[in-house]
Amino acid sequence: ILNVEQSPQSLHVQEGDSTNFTCSFPSSNFYALHWYRWETAKSPEALFVMTLNGDEKKKGRISATLNTKEGYSYLYIKGSQPEDSATYLCAYPGAVNYGGSQGNLIFGKGTKLSVKP
Amino acid sequence: ETGVTQTPRHLVMGMTNKKSLKCEQHLGHNAMYWYKQSAKKPLELMFVYNFKEQTENNSVPSRFSPECPNSSHLFLHLHTLQPEDSALYLCASSQPSGSFYEQYFGPGTRLTVT
Repeated sequence: ILNVEQSPQSLHVQEGDSTNFTCSFPSSNFYALHWYRWETAKSPEALFVMTLNGDEKKKGRISATLNTKEGYSYLYIKGSQPEDSATYLCAYPGAVNYGGSQGNLIFGKGTKLSVKP
Repeated sequence: ETGVTQTPRHLVMGMTNKKSLKCEQHLGHNAMYWYKQSAKKPLELMFVYNFKEQTENNSVPSRFSPECPNSSHLFLHLHTLQPEDSALYLCASSQPSGSFYEQYFGPGTRLTVT
């Protein structure tokens, strides 16, 4: 079983603070790394799907980097706002390592971000 | 609005009941998924359907029975559940080509087994 680890489990920041969290995944046979944002009472929503070592993606104040050789990805939020409060999930298609579909994602437990006004 | 709907949003059922969860996607995707979210656990993949064919059963007990009559609809039939099956059940869909299976989730069904 391939594990996806996220840290920290939770994070409390003040409005305007910049923050980052980590996702660790198996570095062998890399295919893709997904980031999702899940607000309370809403559906998880895809932020990024990253595929290339050294890749950096950006959406507004949120950006992510990828290191496939060492098996980690960072998600950064610049100038956090209360509306950024959510759980941020990363996921990895672990099934590809035993012939499964790239859509069979293994999720981490997430980092729960709370931004205080 | 992600284009994936789930009904009902909340369900309370007894251990001897039979109920079904419904998922519908309006995105033209060919893959659909059932996930389970239990307290303090990561999202767990339960079942995968590609082009209406089941391609993954992640060691799910037989009291959960999926059905995919077409690429737009997915059901999860429930019978003789246990209290530990209480959880949030999420449906998702994806389109493989050019998207690396980026998944679109529904809002979930909060299931309570009494």
